[in-house]
Amino acid sequence: GQQLNQSPQSMFIQEGEDVSMNCTSSSIFNTWLWYKQDPGEGPVLLIALYKAGELTSNGRLTAQFGITRKDSFLNISASIPSDVGIYFCAGQNTGNQFYFGTGTSLTVIP
Amino acid sequence: DAGVTQSPTHLIKTRGQQVTLRCSPISGHKSVSWYQQVLGQGPQFIFQYYEKEERGRGNFPDRFSARQFPNYSSELNVNALLLGDSALYLCASSLTGDAADTQYFGPGTRLTVL
Repeated sequence: GQQLNQSPQSMFIQEGEDVSMNCTSSSIFNTWLWYKQDPGEGPVLLIALYKAGELTSNGRLTAQFGITRKDSFLNISASIPSDVGIYFCAGQNTGNQFYFGTGTSLTVIP
Repeated sequence: DAGVTQSPTHLIKTRGQQVTLRCSPISGHKSVSWYQQVLGQGPQFIFQYYEKEERGRGNFPDRFSARQFPNYSSELNVNALLLGDSALYLCASSLTGDAADTQYFGPGTRLTVL
């Protein structure tokens, strides 16, 4: 199945630093979503984007829906230890199919 | 309120067997979606159901089938299991399954095929 290209694959940062990750696709999506998954649990929705160019914030998290509708990025400001986890982007197309990215593993060093 | 629940939590099967996984959506949610997550990868979309009708299907073989019941719970069936079917199977529910709807994921069922 199709998966979105997500980068970087992993990140090791100091507590307090900002984080940036992105997601690209060869296909157009109508919706972009960002999830966080902790070990042994299902993904939890962080931010949903519904319009090209849309910029949305959720606390320290900010995400944007790319103008081309083929990409999205997620920024985390002032990282804290509980930000540790795997972050996934996901896109939904007009066929009601969801595609997930390959994931970015984030480690925050206190 | 209870979140999305899935059963069983873990399952071990052998090649060629059949398996049924179950999902109960959040109360009031009418759409259920199923995903397969292989270790180290993102979830892959299998099916979406809304009001007992299949609304979307991912790129999975016919060995995979699902259904949704009148109470909106759902079952995922996999026949003739292969080693490669070993994965975490996630269920997600939403009100309508539309793009604007938030999907809430369950904890998943860990399937191991030996």
